Amino acid sequence: NAGVTQTPKFRILKIGQSMTLQCTQDMNHNYMYWYRQDPGMGLKLIYYSVGAGITDKGEVPNGYNVSRSTTEDFPLRLELAAPSQTSVYFCASSGWERQETQYFGPGTRLLVL
Amino acid sequence: RKEVEQDPGPFNVPEGATVAFNCTYSNSASQSFFWYRQDCRKEPKLLMSVYSSGNEDGRFTAQLNRASQYISLLIRDSKLSDSATYLCVVNKGSSNTGKLIFGQGTTLQVKP
Repeated sequence: NAGVTQTPKFRILKIGQSMTLQCTQDMNHNYMYWYRQDPGMGLKLIYYSVGAGITDKGEVPNGYNVSRSTTEDFPLRLELAAPSQTSVYFCASSGWERQETQYFGPGTRLLVL
Repeated sequence: RKEVEQDPGPFNVPEGATVAFNCTYSNSASQSFFWYRQDCRKEPKLLMSVYSSGNEDGRFTAQLNRASQYISLLIRDSKLSDSATYLCVVNKGSSNTGKLIFGQGTTLQVKP
């Protein structure tokens, strides 16, 4: 099992560019999450999904979009990158029975200039 | 007031020391509590859940005080490998969505 994988590991974007952060899990987990972590801060929930076709906003969803067409994949889309979106992005997943035991991917470091 | 607040760090301790981290949470409806560990530039990983009766896992002991809305983590006989940031994590209310609130973390540096 690879667990949760994320691509790319690192990316530099110019203001106004768009990109998709990829996240895949092979644990057959229903729940998936996207977080961002700014330096010295805790993780903040951007979006989450309780199953294929179902997504909902978290604490800081503005500037982001998600989709969940399969159980395995949960991509995060940035449409118009802004410097405030410079952060480390973590994807996580959890199963039905222990929803709060979340398994994280290695993260994507994004720099918007 | 932040939903989850932790002791400011960093904590610099010698090997073999005992160190305690504290955390308070604001939502009295929260039902589940955890400590996650995050190594430098890595992803968070679950260290242990925290139960009302208190629980122990080797050198690590977690305590919960619901009346005071307070969580603690005690590390005995610190090792160099314990150096990391420890995140206090609380579920968001009583809903069953897995939504978690993370504290900003307390950094521990264990020195030889």
